[in-house]
Amino acid sequence: GQSLEQPSEVTAVEGAIVQINCTYQTSGFYGLSWYQQHDGGAPTFLSYNALDGLEETGRFSSFLSRSDSYGYLLLQELQMKDSASYFCAVRISNSGYALNFGKGTSLLVTP
Amino acid sequence: IAGITQAPTSQILAAGRRMTLRCTQDMRHNAMYWYRQDLGLGLRLIHYSNTAGTTGKGEVPDGYSVSRANTDDFPLTLASAVPSQTSVYFCASSDSSTGTEAFFGQGTRLTVV
Repeated sequence: GQSLEQPSEVTAVEGAIVQINCTYQTSGFYGLSWYQQHDGGAPTFLSYNALDGLEETGRFSSFLSRSDSYGYLLLQELQMKDSASYFCAVRISNSGYALNFGKGTSLLVTP
Repeated sequence: IAGITQAPTSQILAAGRRMTLRCTQDMRHNAMYWYRQDLGLGLRLIHYSNTAGTTGKGEVPDGYSVSRANTDDFPLTLASAVPSQTSVYFCASSDSSTGTEAFFGQGTRLTVV
């Protein structure tokens, strides 16, 4: 089967840097994705890593190590609006392109 | 505005009633999905469709059915609702040529009483 593990909650101060880790177990790995969801909203895509290394998109970066079955999302220069839940996800084997999501990390940014 | 439209946005439903949640996308994506989201459990896949005319079961399919008569529509039906189906339901789609980004609707908040 598949499983994804990520911390349930993280708190950080405005302007700081925070890292949200994700470890996964899956057969047939097709890449690690990250999604953001604000309270009451829809999940929105942040990033995708198919190969090892760091992908940077503005204040957000995502890292993947396939040998360690591990990735992380790095948020820099935190802003209050970054308070949200963050989900890592992998493609479900034998289900086309459907994603299996971790349970999510709730990030609280404090002043 | 391109994207995914879900209806209704919220609904209170009596147990035992039949209900269809509607989902329409205008991005011509081949693949579509239904997820339910419950506190502490994240997003769980109910059913998926990789192309019009085909569907598959996800992690939690029991009590739900789907159809995919065309590319744009992917309705989810609860044949006889039970209180454990109280949840927020999200429809999503992705382009099967890349499959790297899923687009989500705004969700349907369903309460079964």
